Amino acid sequence: GAGVSQSPSNKVTEKGKDVELRCDPISGHTALYWYRQSLGQGLEFLIYFQGNSAPDKSGLPSDRFSAERTGGSVSTLTIQRTQQEDSAVYLCASSLHVMASPLHFGNGTRLTVT
Amino acid sequence: AQTVTQSQPEMSVQEAETVTLSCTYDTSESDYYLFWYKQPPSRQMILVIRQEAYKQQNATENRFSVNFQKAAKSFSLKISDSQLGDAAMYFCAYRSPFEGPGGYQKVTFGTGTKLQVIP
Repeated sequence: GAGVSQSPSNKVTEKGKDVELRCDPISGHTALYWYRQSLGQGLEFLIYFQGNSAPDKSGLPSDRFSAERTGGSVSTLTIQRTQQEDSAVYLCASSLHVMASPLHFGNGTRLTVT
Repeated sequence: AQTVTQSQPEMSVQEAETVTLSCTYDTSESDYYLFWYKQPPSRQMILVIRQEAYKQQNATENRFSVNFQKAAKSFSLKISDSQLGDAAMYFCAYRSPFEGPGGYQKVTFGTGTKLQVIP
């Protein structure tokens, strides 16, 4: 596909379960960002990848959150032992490794923890 | 650390009128990029316009233009001839130059302005 693809688009899970969110960036985009957006709020930075490396993990809220990227392409964000406060939309964006390149966003995954 | 501030949580404009959304930022860098993104209720974030800090000329994209004041660290978005389809959340974003051995480019977003267009 031509755009950033995220799956699933919606996920409902019980408190305490683990979830895995997937992001498939635009081909050739080496930079990949994860953000979290609570209802009606701004974007909270979670983690950045350049290739397979994550030079900035400073936004991950707790050690329950982890992310990886393989082959410089697909990235997965894993949340262990989910809590109700994890409920939000998780957005993934990719870009070229060029300052002028805008971020291209996926449609996000809406996570609801019951 | 870079910060981006959007001081207007909500704005409204009459259809066909002009509205300006404000954004200020803080940085010690001399070269960087600024962006405005639009997020309609469908949730898809879309690029509206971008501006390089080294360019003095304000960027323009059809009905969208910016007023970039580098010394004041201000980057406002003007929407002319507002249309119903312009109703959305608008986010201002700052992209830093390359940092560190990995060439990290941090992208910082403001908290957004919700724009309502009144028919």
